[in-house]
Amino acid sequence: DTGVSQDPRHKITKRGQNVTFRCDPISEHNRLYWYRQTLGQGPEFLTYFQNEAQLEKSRLLSDRFSAERPKGSFSTLEIQRTEQGDSAMYLCASSLEIYGYTFGSGTRLTVV
Amino acid sequence: DQQVKQNSPSLSVQEGRISILNCDYTNSMFDYFLWYKKYPAEGPTFLISISSIKDKNEDGRFTVFLNKSAKHLSLHIVPSQPGDYAVYFCAASGIGFGNEKLTFGTGTRLTIIP
Repeated sequence: DTGVSQDPRHKITKRGQNVTFRCDPISEHNRLYWYRQTLGQGPEFLTYFQNEAQLEKSRLLSDRFSAERPKGSFSTLEIQRTEQGDSAMYLCASSLEIYGYTFGSGTRLTVV
Repeated sequence: DQQVKQNSPSLSVQEGRISILNCDYTNSMFDYFLWYKKYPAEGPTFLISISSIKDKNEDGRFTVFLNKSAKHLSLHIVPSQPGDYAVYFCAASGIGFGNEKLTFGTGTRLTIIP
Protein backbone atom coordinates (compact mmCIF):
# COMPACT_ATOMS: atom_id res chain seq x y z
CA ASP A 1 0.00 0.00 0.00
CA THR A 2 1.72 3.13 -1.24
CA GLY A 3 -1.02 5.62 -0.44
CA VAL A 4 -3.08 7.63 -2.90
CA SER A 5 -1.28 8.09 -6.19
CA GLN A 6 -1.99 10.90 -8.65
CA ASP A 7 -0.68 11.23 -12.17
CA PRO A 8 0.69 13.45 -13.58
CA ARG A 9 2.19 15.59 -10.82
CA HIS A 10 2.37 18.61 -13.09
CA LYS A 11 0.57 19.49 -16.30
CA ILE A 12 1.02 22.57 -18.47
CA THR A 13 -1.54 22.96 -21.22
CA LYS A 14 -2.64 25.58 -23.68
CA ARG A 15 -6.02 27.21 -23.23
CA GLY A 16 -8.71 25.29 -25.05
CA GLN A 17 -7.01 21.91 -24.78
CA ASN A 18 -8.48 18.93 -22.91
CA VAL A 19 -6.66 17.37 -19.97
CA THR A 20 -7.21 14.20 -17.97
CA PHE A 21 -5.87 13.37 -14.53
CA ARG A 22 -5.75 9.98 -12.88
CA CYS A 23 -6.09 8.98 -9.23
CA ASP A 24 -5.32 5.55 -7.81
CA PRO A 25 -6.80 5.27 -4.31
CA ILE A 26 -5.68 3.02 -1.48
CA SER A 27 -6.84 -0.38 -2.65
CA GLU A 28 -9.39 -1.19 0.05
CA HIS A 29 -10.91 2.30 0.14
CA ASN A 30 -14.40 2.48 -1.35
CA ARG A 31 -14.78 6.25 -1.12
CA LEU A 32 -12.94 8.59 -3.48
CA TYR A 33 -13.02 12.40 -3.54
CA TRP A 34 -11.76 15.15 -5.83
CA TYR A 35 -10.90 18.60 -4.47
CA ARG A 36 -9.40 21.67 -6.10
CA GLN A 37 -7.06 24.13 -4.39
CA THR A 38 -6.17 27.54 -5.78
CA LEU A 39 -3.50 29.87 -4.44
CA GLY A 40 -4.30 31.23 -1.00
CA GLN A 41 -7.40 29.08 -0.60
CA GLY A 42 -8.19 25.82 1.10
CA PRO A 43 -9.20 22.74 -0.86
CA GLU A 44 -12.71 22.98 -2.37
CA PHE A 45 -14.89 19.92 -2.85
CA LEU A 46 -15.58 18.91 -6.45
CA THR A 47 -17.09 15.43 -6.41
CA TYR A 48 -17.34 12.16 -4.50
CA PHE A 49 -17.67 8.48 -5.42
CA GLN A 50 -18.69 5.53 -3.35
CA ASN A 51 -17.44 2.53 -5.29
CA GLU A 52 -18.33 3.34 -8.93
CA ALA A 53 -21.31 5.57 -8.10
CA GLN A 54 -20.82 9.33 -8.27
CA LEU A 55 -22.92 10.45 -5.29
CA GLU A 56 -22.34 14.18 -5.15
CA LYS A 57 -21.08 16.93 -7.43
CA SER A 58 -20.27 20.51 -6.50
CA ARG A 59 -21.62 23.43 -8.50
CA LEU A 60 -17.92 24.16 -9.11
CA LEU A 61 -17.95 21.17 -11.45
CA SER A 62 -19.14 22.87 -14.62
CA ASP A 63 -20.20 20.93 -17.71
CA ARG A 64 -16.58 21.10 -18.90
CA PHE A 65 -15.59 18.81 -16.05
CA SER A 66 -16.33 15.11 -15.89
CA ALA A 67 -15.20 12.47 -13.43
CA GLU A 68 -15.45 8.73 -13.63
CA ARG A 69 -14.56 5.78 -11.47
CA PRO A 70 -15.03 2.67 -13.58
CA LYS A 71 -15.31 -0.57 -11.58
CA GLY A 72 -14.85 1.36 -8.36
CA SER A 73 -11.07 1.40 -8.62
CA PHE A 74 -9.05 4.28 -10.09
CA SER A 75 -10.71 7.56 -11.05
CA THR A 76 -10.19 10.07 -13.82
CA LEU A 77 -11.01 13.77 -13.88
CA GLU A 78 -11.25 15.34 -17.33
CA ILE A 79 -11.40 19.04 -18.09
CA GLN A 80 -12.47 19.99 -21.58
CA ARG A 81 -11.66 23.29 -23.28
CA THR A 82 -9.43 24.41 -20.43
CA GLU A 83 -9.51 28.04 -19.30
CA GLN A 84 -6.91 30.01 -17.36
CA GLY A 85 -9.21 29.92 -14.32
CA ASP A 86 -8.83 26.15 -14.24
CA SER A 87 -5.20 26.56 -13.13
CA ALA A 88 -5.07 24.96 -9.69
CA MET A 89 -3.90 21.98 -7.68
CA TYR A 90 -6.29 19.05 -8.13
CA LEU A 91 -6.30 16.79 -5.10
CA CYS A 92 -7.66 13.29 -4.85
CA ALA A 93 -8.44 11.56 -1.56
CA SER A 94 -9.76 8.17 -0.59
CA SER A 95 -11.22 6.67 2.57
CA LEU A 96 -12.72 3.51 3.95
CA GLU A 97 -14.79 5.30 6.54
CA ILE A 98 -16.34 8.73 6.59
CA TYR A 99 -13.72 11.45 7.32
CA GLY A 100 -10.75 9.07 7.30
CA TYR A 101 -9.33 10.80 4.25
CA THR A 102 -5.90 10.11 2.83
CA PHE A 103 -4.95 12.72 0.24
CA GLY A 104 -2.65 12.23 -2.70
CA SER A 105 0.09 14.72 -3.55
CA GLY A 106 -2.07 16.37 -6.19
CA THR A 107 -1.78 17.33 -9.85
CA ARG A 108 -0.77 20.93 -10.47
CA LEU A 109 -2.43 22.26 -13.63
CA THR A 110 -1.18 25.38 -15.35
CA VAL A 111 -3.21 26.71 -18.29
CA VAL A 112 -1.28 29.12 -20.49
CA ASP B 1 -19.64 32.58 1.31
CA GLN B 2 -16.74 31.41 3.47
CA GLN B 3 -18.32 29.01 5.95
CA VAL B 4 -15.01 28.14 7.61
CA LYS B 5 -12.68 31.02 8.36
CA GLN B 6 -9.08 31.17 9.43
CA ASN B 7 -8.47 34.85 9.93
CA SER B 8 -4.72 34.64 10.50
CA PRO B 9 -2.91 33.80 7.27
CA SER B 10 0.36 33.41 9.17
CA LEU B 11 1.70 32.81 12.67
CA SER B 12 5.26 32.81 14.00
CA VAL B 13 6.09 31.02 17.23
CA GLN B 14 9.35 30.40 19.04
CA GLU B 15 10.54 26.82 19.18
CA GLY B 16 9.40 25.15 22.40
CA ARG B 17 6.51 27.53 22.98
CA ILE B 18 2.82 26.95 22.35
CA SER B 19 1.29 27.50 18.91
CA ILE B 20 -2.41 28.37 18.87
CA LEU B 21 -4.23 28.30 15.55
CA ASN B 22 -7.79 29.53 15.38
CA CYS B 23 -10.79 28.72 13.22
CA ASP B 24 -14.35 30.07 13.10
CA TYR B 25 -17.35 28.62 11.31
CA THR B 26 -20.77 29.93 10.42
CA ASN B 27 -22.78 26.84 9.46
CA SER B 28 -24.60 25.51 12.54
CA MET B 29 -25.11 22.17 10.73
CA PHE B 30 -21.39 21.38 11.02
CA ASP B 31 -20.88 18.64 13.56
CA TYR B 32 -17.40 17.31 12.91
CA PHE B 33 -14.18 19.26 12.70
CA LEU B 34 -10.70 18.33 11.55
CA TRP B 35 -7.25 19.87 11.30
CA TYR B 36 -4.92 19.09 8.43
CA LYS B 37 -1.27 19.96 7.92
CA LYS B 38 0.15 20.63 4.48
CA TYR B 39 3.73 20.81 3.28
CA PRO B 40 4.54 22.35 -0.14
CA ALA B 41 4.02 19.97 -3.08
CA GLU B 42 2.21 17.44 -0.89
CA GLY B 43 -1.42 16.74 -0.14
CA PRO B 44 -2.94 17.65 3.25
CA THR B 45 -2.21 15.21 6.08
CA PHE B 46 -4.78 14.56 8.80
CA LEU B 47 -3.74 15.72 12.28
CA ILE B 48 -6.63 15.56 14.70
CA SER B 49 -10.42 15.78 14.79
CA ILE B 50 -13.27 16.48 17.16
CA SER B 51 -17.00 15.86 17.09
CA SER B 52 -19.52 18.32 18.43
CA ILE B 53 -20.32 16.15 21.45
CA LYS B 54 -16.87 16.92 22.84
CA ASP B 55 -15.14 20.16 23.72
CA LYS B 56 -11.58 18.85 23.73
CA ASN B 57 -9.55 16.14 22.05
CA GLU B 58 -5.88 15.48 22.66
CA ASP B 59 -3.30 13.50 20.72
CA GLY B 60 0.29 13.86 21.82
CA ARG B 61 1.45 17.42 21.27
CA PHE B 62 -1.81 18.37 19.55
CA THR B 63 -5.02 19.41 21.29
CA VAL B 64 -8.16 20.68 19.60
CA PHE B 65 -10.70 22.73 21.54
CA LEU B 66 -14.28 23.29 20.35
CA ASN B 67 -16.56 26.07 21.58
CA LYS B 68 -19.82 25.25 19.85
CA SER B 69 -21.75 28.24 21.19
CA ALA B 70 -19.11 30.59 19.77
CA LYS B 71 -18.69 28.47 16.62
CA HIS B 72 -14.95 28.50 17.25
CA LEU B 73 -12.24 25.90 17.41
CA SER B 74 -8.54 26.08 18.05
CA LEU B 75 -5.52 23.83 17.63
CA HIS B 76 -2.82 23.95 20.29
CA ILE B 77 0.64 22.55 19.57
CA VAL B 78 2.88 22.14 22.60
CA PRO B 79 5.83 22.30 22.41
CA SER B 80 6.28 23.72 18.93
CA GLN B 81 9.04 22.05 16.92
CA PRO B 82 10.85 22.98 13.68
CA GLY B 83 9.02 20.20 11.81
CA ASP B 84 5.72 21.93 12.58
CA TYR B 85 6.52 24.51 9.88
CA ALA B 86 3.61 24.03 7.44
CA VAL B 87 0.21 25.39 6.44
CA TYR B 88 -2.59 24.26 8.76
CA PHE B 89 -6.14 23.91 7.49
CA CYS B 90 -9.28 23.70 9.57
CA ALA B 91 -12.12 21.67 7.98
CA ALA B 92 -15.72 20.94 8.90
CA SER B 93 -18.51 18.59 7.91
CA GLY B 94 -21.95 17.38 8.89
CA ILE B 95 -22.22 13.94 10.45
CA GLY B 96 -23.20 10.70 8.80
CA PHE B 97 -23.97 9.38 5.37
CA GLY B 98 -24.45 12.13 2.82
CA ASN B 99 -22.17 14.51 4.68
CA GLU B 100 -18.79 13.21 3.65
CA LYS B 101 -17.53 16.37 1.96
CA LEU B 102 -15.28 18.69 3.91
CA THR B 103 -15.41 22.49 3.88
CA PHE B 104 -11.93 23.91 4.41
CA GLY B 105 -10.68 27.22 5.72
CA THR B 106 -8.04 29.23 3.86
CA GLY B 107 -5.18 28.02 6.02
CA THR B 108 -2.63 29.47 8.46
CA ARG B 109 1.08 29.23 7.72
CA LEU B 110 2.97 28.38 10.90
CA THR B 111 6.62 29.41 11.13
CA ILE B 112 8.78 28.15 13.98
CA ILE B 113 11.50 30.53 15.11
CA PRO B 114 14.65 28.80 16.44
